[in-house]
Order: sequence, then C-alpha cells, then structure tokens
Amino acid sequence: DQQVKQNSPSLSVQEGRISILNCDYTNSMFDYFLWYKKYPAEGPTFLISISSIKDKNEDGRFTVFLNKSAKHLSLHIVPSQPGDSAVYFCAASQGGSEKLVFGKGTKLTVNP
Amino acid sequence: DAGVIQSPRHEVTEMGQEVTLRCKPISGHNSLFWYRQTMMRGLELLIYFNNNVPIDDSGMPEDRFSAKMPNASFSTLKIQPSEPRDSAVYFCASRRGSRENQPQHFGDGTRLSIL
Repeated sequence: DQQVKQNSPSLSVQEGRISILNCDYTNSMFDYFLWYKKYPAEGPTFLISISSIKDKNEDGRFTVFLNKSAKHLSLHIVPSQPGDSAVYFCAASQGGSEKLVFGKGTKLTVNP
Repeated sequence: DAGVIQSPRHEVTEMGQEVTLRCKPISGHNSLFWYRQTMMRGLELLIYFNNNVPIDDSGMPEDRFSAKMPNASFSTLKIQPSEPRDSAVYFCASRRGSRENQPQHFGDGTRLSIL
C-alpha cells in the first residue's frame, strides 16, 4: 500500500514557465515532507522540505505548498530552466522518525 | 566535504554468487540508510543504523540480505546467494541524526545486475 503517491510519472514544460509537481499521502501522521531531485546515474539530492506546522516554504525558485486537510503537497519551480530536468521524489516522515517513505517520482522535462 | 561514497558503482555477477556493496557515510553523520530502487517498487528503505546500531531492518526482503556497520565510517550490504530479482540500484544515505529535520544525503548508488 503506497503511503506517498506521485500520480504523474512525467511532466513537460517550456523554459521560463512554471512547473508544478504534485504529491499525495495517505498517512495523517506524517508531519515532515521533503522533495529530492535526481539526475541519471546520480543519487537523489535534497531540494526543499516543509514541516506540517507550515503551509508554505520557499527557497529561491522553489516553493513547496502543504495542504494538510487534503493530504497534498506540491512543488512549484518558477521560472523553470532546462537544468531542472530530472526526476523529482516526494518523501515523508512522522513523529521525528528518521525513516522516509518515498513516492515513485515524477520525471520533469524542461524544453528550451 | 566529500559526500556519501559507494562502491562498486556497477556490479554484474551470476546467480548464486555472494555480492557485497560498500558505503562510506559523510563524516560526522551518525545515521546510515540502505535503499533499493526498482521500477516496480520505487525507492524503498531496507535498513537503517544509528550510531552503528541497526534500528529498523523491517525492509530487508529476506534472510539472504544482511547489513553491517562495524564503525562510523563504513557499512556493507551483503546478498548471499544472489538471485536475478535482486537486480536493482542500491543507494546508501547518511544523516546528521542529532539535529531535528536534517535531510538524508545520498550516494550515487550501485547498479547491481544478477544474471
């Protein structure tokens, strides 16, 4: 049973436009969420995180939004750049646990 | 700072052989995690250690898999005997566990192919 779901396997956007990646979770005990970016033949790299006490966290071009009532979070990238083309993973943990549960990822392609 | 270092990067071996994957965590990180990535199941946690002690091995698929962390700077994941269904990318990650909400840092993985 997947507790963290990324329902779009892929997404394609034009350079300069906004990319929106979505993630849904089923476990209401999750209280910390992270996004990782992964290039081919490399390990996932931490991008941005958000605690459940917040509904938004911003870092440069990257913003994560959390909607606890809908058990949904999203990652916005504005403006999108070709170098952002990668697979993006959503992950969640609960109660200070070190265990992360990952979604299966969304492959983002930013076209020049 | 050096990141998490995994070796080998690629391993191709025949069914039934023993496979040993190695990981050197980031210095100062006291938590270490082993993950497996497959198309079907995505990225799944196999086992993690805190201060060299295994904390949760519930993700280890079966007794053919074992992991050790003899000291703070080295860990191994062993598969014996290996089977074709073990073919996957195996990642190691480490984290500074003493501070809250610290992210895990991943190595570049070992791509394992069992023929």
